[in-house]
Amino acid sequence: DIVMTQAPLSVSVTPGESASISCRSSKSLLHSNGNTYVNWYLQKPGKSPQFLIYRMSNLASGVPDRFSGSGSETDFTLKISKVETEDVGVYYCGHGLEYPYTFGAGTKLELK
Amino acid sequence: EVKLLESGGGLVQPGGSLRLSCAASGFTFTDFYMSWIRQPPGKAPEWLGVIRNKANGYTTEYNPSVKGRFTISRDNTQNILYLQMNTLRAEDTAIYYCARIRLGPFFDYWGQGVMVTVSS
Repeated sequence: DIVMTQAPLSVSVTPGESASISCRSSKSLLHSNGNTYVNWYLQKPGKSPQFLIYRMSNLASGVPDRFSGSGSETDFTLKISKVETEDVGVYYCGHGLEYPYTFGAGTKLELK
Repeated sequence: EVKLLESGGGLVQPGGSLRLSCAASGFTFTDFYMSWIRQPPGKAPEWLGVIRNKANGYTTEYNPSVKGRFTISRDNTQNILYLQMNTLRAEDTAIYYCARIRLGPFFDYWGQGVMVTVSS
């Protein structure tokens, strides 16, 4: 199975400042078709996970452009610029390259 | 509006069985792959398996962690997704979500989840 490793486990950010979350995969997620199969989800407190970014850098419909995804074949970053109170929750990376799909352990974003 | 509504959770004894349902609405059910994902309290999600769409013969794939104990099926006349869970263990205790898969692939819609507790 592909192991997804996230860092840090938690991050505390002042509203209006930026936050970055890292995710590393144990295998390249770059497919021969040129797509990189890493996705990002946010689970707000008490809610189901919601989909944020697909194929490393593509924002889901309705996701503010304060969110961005980038990376290489095995190292990925989710960046949130100008963090707002609604961004609080646990962020998970996950891959879609092959079965079984797996998720990282999550990074909890809190406000200072 | 896409909606996914799970039901059927509860308390079950070790070794027991349970069937979860997920009622889907707001989209053409047969066009989409569907998955079950679980999340133990305070832990990360774990993908359990997928059932493909009509075009791909409704075939299934499973996480090896549950293969042979869990079975995913779908009723395409009533737009319901099922998860049959057998020989349940304490470590199966989790919130169980159904999710729609967009071919990316990624999980673009999740249900609200249903709690399953395996305990004597």
